Parts: sequence; C-alpha cells; structure tokens
Amino acid sequence: AQKITQTQPGMFVQEKEAVTLDCTYDTSDPSYGLFWYKQPSSGEMIFLIYQGSYDQQNATEGRYSLNFQKARKSANLVISASQLGDSAMYFCAMRETGANNLFFGTGTRLTVIP
Amino acid sequence: NAGVTQTPKFQVLKTGQSMTLQCAQDMNHEYMSWYRQDPGMGLRLIHYSVGAGITDQGEVPNGYNVSRSTTEDFPLRLLSAAPSQTSVYFCASSYSSGTSGRNEQFFGPGTRLTVL
Repeated sequence: AQKITQTQPGMFVQEKEAVTLDCTYDTSDPSYGLFWYKQPSSGEMIFLIYQGSYDQQNATEGRYSLNFQKARKSANLVISASQLGDSAMYFCAMRETGANNLFFGTGTRLTVIP
Repeated sequence: NAGVTQTPKFQVLKTGQSMTLQCAQDMNHEYMSWYRQDPGMGLRLIHYSVGAGITDQGEVPNGYNVSRSTTEDFPLRLLSAAPSQTSVYFCASSYSSGTSGRNEQFFGPGTRLTVL
C-alpha cells in the first residue's frame, strides 16, 4: 500500500492567488513526521516545511502552511499569494518513528499563470 | 559549506558497464541515502547508511551496491548497468532523527543517468 498519496498530478493557479496541494498518508505509527519538498525545473530538491505528528499547531514557513488533519491522515500544503517562481513539482514525504528514511508521494506539478 | 555534492552530473552508459556515483557531504551528518527518481513515481529509496560502516537496503536495492567507509562519503555502485536503471539519482543526508524533530534531509543536485 502507498504510504503517501498525492492525487493531483497537475495544478494551475493564478498569480497572487492561494493554492492547496493535497497529501494523504498511511501509517500505524503514532509518531511520524511529514515533509514537503519543492523541485523546480532545475532539478534540485528544496525543503519547504515540516509537521510532526504530535505538533499541536499547523506548521507555517512564510507563504507556506500545512493544513494538518490527523484524523483524516492528510497534510495538505497551502501556498498563499502564488508567485511565478512557485511553478515546480511538489513532493509530500513521511518519516516514521526511529527511522530517517523518507517515503515520497508521486508529486504534484504546480503551474502559476501570470 | 558545500552541503551535499554529487558527481557526475550526467552520465551515459552502455548495458553491462559498471560505474560509481559519488556523493559527499560536509555537514557531519550520520545518515546518508540514495534515491532514484523516475517519471510518475516520485523518489524511491535505494540504500541508506546510519553511520560509517553501516549500510542497509531500501525499497529498490537490486543492481546497486553501497559502502560507507567515512562519515563524509557514500558512493553508489552500479554493478552491471541495465536500461531499467536509467533515472535521476539523488543523494541525501541528515542528522539521525531518533524519533522526533524536523531534521530534514538535504539533497544533492542529482545525477542524470542514461543506460543504452
């Protein structure tokens, strides 16, 4: 079974608008971490935001926030005030207890329209 | 700090050839790993290491070998290249997480490998 599911292969958003990228996960581990990475067309992997399973508040990093719904096992990335430079692939990933290994979803390609 | 470096950036091999992808990090990270990225499949873990002298298999280890003789270096060896190994390879490193904490993985720039 897939540990991380990203159901949106591609998304479009108008510049300056907000967009939500979906991520659901599957684990029986009570302690885990969720990550989002950005991969621009140049290919590098850029860490964006982290949410721990026991964190009481949703994570935020600048224009990025994580809509964490533990009971639904979802960790959606919200990008506010989209910019042209936000056009990229976005990957959701999970790390389980006592491990460093990341399980990645298949990614969502975001295109920001001017 | 250079972070995580990978060489080469691009490589073309013929079926059956062997080669080593190099990875080095200067952040004194205990954990290092290799992923491959294929279209529509995200990143999949090949091998990983939690410290010098310790390696283990990930999700897709067949056809690859690794070793970790120093904290800094974690080379990936393709023993006999096959067209199915055409992919983009990423090396990553982090501190060992224990059970909690952000401790994100830092990725190298990737190696694009084509096997003919």
